[in-house]
Amino acid sequence: QVHLQESGPGLVKPSETLSLTCTVSGYSISSGYYWGWIRQPPGKGLEWIGSIHHSGITYYSPALKSRVTISVDTSKNQFSLKLRSVTAADTAVYYCARDWGAVNFDSWGQGPLVTVSS
Amino acid sequence: QSVLTQPPSVSAAAGQKVTIPCSGSTSNIGTNYVSWYQQLPGTAPKVLIYEDNKRPSGIPDRFSGSKSDTSATLGITGLQTGDEADYYCAAWDTSLSAGGFGGGTKLTVL
Repeated sequence: QVHLQESGPGLVKPSETLSLTCTVSGYSISSGYYWGWIRQPPGKGLEWIGSIHHSGITYYSPALKSRVTISVDTSKNQFSLKLRSVTAADTAVYYCARDWGAVNFDSWGQGPLVTVSS
Repeated sequence: QSVLTQPPSVSAAAGQKVTIPCSGSTSNIGTNYVSWYQQLPGTAPKVLIYEDNKRPSGIPDRFSGSKSDTSATLGITGLQTGDEADYYCAAWDTSLSAGGFGGGTKLTVL
């Protein structure tokens, strides 16, 4: 059974870069599928951030595209999120998830809260 | 601003049926599959329906999905108090080359 676990700082200062890593166990990223990031501001709805294929092909939310990079490290069975120039509006729970395609996320990480504050 | 539109809330009595609509456009729902997610308080979302109307193993047949043109609907029959949650539709948008979620619908079981 696939398991995903996010890791990274829970507190980021404004204007800095938010960095999270998702470690996958029970399934090899190299075997296929897309791998995505989704966030949820406190008390609000889900927001799709982007997805990456194991080959490295990426898709990003138009609203975040200028600030986001998603990368994959198949040797570590991990994929990562970097969000640059963060503001308080980027405070959210950040989930990583496996995407079968067409926004079909069948397995999710626990989702840590990342707070942007000085 | 979500490209998929859902009502903020719906309610129905225990044991009854409820439907949750999701409205989109030709570039998302009209062209691509729709997924539905259930999010219980304090937990990660869980997929209930994928590819418009398919249920993953373990999801009871009380949950169903349908689609027509640029709208999709999640149906829940035999409502239980444990069904109280937020429900989200999701679909790929071909014009944007991006995924998207609806704004979410809070279900209250009376």
